[in-house]
Amino acid sequence: QVQLVESGGGLVRPGGSLRLSCAASGFAFDHSYMSWIRQAPGKGLEWISYISSLSSSTYYADSVKGRFTISRDNTKNSLYLQMDSLRAEDTAMYYCAQYYYDSSGPQWYFDLWGRGTQVVVSS
Amino acid sequence: ETVMTQSPGTLSVSPGERATLSCRASQSVRNNLAWYQHKPGQPPRLLIFGASTRATGIPARFSGSGSGTEFTLTISSLQSDDFAVYYCQQYGDWPPFTFGPGTKVDL
Repeated sequence: QVQLVESGGGLVRPGGSLRLSCAASGFAFDHSYMSWIRQAPGKGLEWISYISSLSSSTYYADSVKGRFTISRDNTKNSLYLQMDSLRAEDTAMYYCAQYYYDSSGPQWYFDLWGRGTQVVVSS
Repeated sequence: ETVMTQSPGTLSVSPGERATLSCRASQSVRNNLAWYQHKPGQPPRLLIFGASTRATGIPARFSGSGSGTEFTLTISSLQSDDFAVYYCQQYGDWPPFTFGPGTKVDL
């Protein structure tokens, strides 16, 4: 079954850290380009980070640059997001998502999403 | 950064009616525009990519048009399952990938 399953969310105090995981199954994860996208309560979707298939390229939104680190382990079919120096405004549902790809390579829209993991930053 | 805007913020329609949602980019993204449907408690679902191509399994009542800076998602005859929030996303100028603020389609 083709799916992404996030885990690792929870309640954390401001300034704390959390590591999110995303387990992929049913497809060739080592060919996939991936991102993390979040949705704060009552807000829209916000792209926050990207990683290429072999981890050669990573990008971040300005809102998380220097605090969050995206990584992957293709041997474990897993994507990660290390979140440090967390702030109240990081409270959100965090989704991992795969960019569509075919024989011509990746296309930069998201065709597979996980169900998300909730992160709450509060004292 | 390419800023995306959507209008209206909320669209109130009845089943069977036509719904027209707009998305605007602050600069040209050519046809690099996707639309997603998002329902509470579910992940977003890809509807349209390349501004006008329906994703696999998406009903024909969903159609997309536009290029450059102006885009439209049309739902020709709204079904009860279509009440949701709809987001556009540009991928013509990245990083960052940017989404519009969404249009809520409700009853």
